[in-house]
Amino acid sequence: DPKIIQKPKYLVAVTGSEKILICEQYLGHNAMYWYRQSAKKPLEFMFSYSYQKLMDNQTASSRFQPQSSKKNHLDLQITALKPDDSATYFCASSQEAGDNQAPLFGEGTRLSVL
Amino acid sequence: GEQVEQRPPHLSVREGDSAVIICTYTDPNSYYFFWYKQEPGAGLQLLMKVFSSTEINEGQGFTVLLNKKDKQLSLNLTAAHPGDSAVYFCAVRIQDSNYQLIWGSGTKLIIKP
Repeated sequence: DPKIIQKPKYLVAVTGSEKILICEQYLGHNAMYWYRQSAKKPLEFMFSYSYQKLMDNQTASSRFQPQSSKKNHLDLQITALKPDDSATYFCASSQEAGDNQAPLFGEGTRLSVL
Repeated sequence: GEQVEQRPPHLSVREGDSAVIICTYTDPNSYYFFWYKQEPGAGLQLLMKVFSSTEINEGQGFTVLLNKKDKQLSLNLTAAHPGDSAVYFCAVRIQDSNYQLIWGSGTKLIIKP
């Protein structure tokens, strides 16, 4: 059974709309992350959270907002969607945000913006 | 900042042959290294993590070599089989980086029968 659940698996949106990508992990991890993968950039770090607090933000646009309502949740809200936002978004987690911690990844949400 | 160059971007080998993927990093403060495998339509699966104090690590059907002198990390798949077909990524963590990983650009490996 997958321990990092991302919903939905596929998502189609129209330009200008707003979507929320869901991520829940059942590994008891304290650090969670969002990554983006597209044809332009194979793997791009977006955000990291530790104990529900933002640690690092490498996303230039404020249209991307993580939301952590529970310790094991880190959702990603994307507003004013653009076609360039089309990508696969991966959620990941690790026990802690530490040196030797390797993030474990979910299956991804494939977003297409028309 | 740290740069990680991964090569080759594409690699095709016959079943039973070996395959080598190399990542070259620039920051001498790099000290944790990771290899991931991504099968089509799936997330990234951790293959191995390597620390600076270890040079050779062996997994199931592959070997990871860390050459600190040349700042190179390599993944060597021995006796490749069709299940090895995937995209492979290396990732490097440097000190004082807020635990951020710097990723290679990926290698698409195809195993031909």
